[in-house]
Amino acid sequence: EIVMTQSPATLSVSPGERATLSCRASQSVSSNLAWYQRKPGQAPRLLMYLASVRATAIPARFSGSGSGTEFTLTISSLQSEDFAIYYCQQYNNWPNTFGQGTKLEIK
Amino acid sequence: EVQLVESGGGLVQPGGSLRLSCAASGFTFNTYWMHWVRQAPGKGLVWVSRINSDGSSTNYADSVKGRFTISRDNAKNTVYLQMNSLRAEDTAVYYCGRDLVGATLDWWGQGTLVTVSS
Repeated sequence: EIVMTQSPATLSVSPGERATLSCRASQSVSSNLAWYQRKPGQAPRLLMYLASVRATAIPARFSGSGSGTEFTLTISSLQSEDFAIYYCQQYNNWPNTFGQGTKLEIK
Repeated sequence: EVQLVESGGGLVQPGGSLRLSCAASGFTFNTYWMHWVRQAPGKGLVWVSRINSDGSSTNYADSVKGRFTISRDNAKNTVYLQMNSLRAEDTAVYYCGRDLVGATLDWWGQGTLVTVSS
């Protein structure tokens, strides 16, 4: 199965600053990559799919890029509600696999 | 509004069985693929199974193949996960999710906890 590796494990950023999260696939997943946000006690929330397409109602400060094996999620100006855990997921091959997550914390 | 509500979790002994249900509302259920994903304590998200919109096609993770069965009742807007021969490593919160496109899940339930222990 495809292994998804996210970095860093924890990212400390101040509100208003930019955050850049990375996700690497062990083999090409084309653009079949999604990003999710997870807050404590809540179900995951889909942010992006097809690597760069924002899901419904996702603010424009979230953007995704990449293809093949290297992907990035950028949050342009962090708001207080953005501090959470972020997961990438490949759906190019079954079984679909998730990264281990990046915890975005307030600096 | 879309809602997914899981039920059926609980404490079961190794080797036992449970059936999870996920009741859907707020959308045309019979046009969507549905998935089960789990998260063990302190671990990451792991795909378990998926089923197509009419129930004719299913897939399973290797770790559950032959033990778990996914099914759906489109008349009841419900997807099920029958779990047999449960092991300690099946202990997790189980989530159902609606497939937006290609196995991206745009709606998730709140999850139901399955604990396999003697």
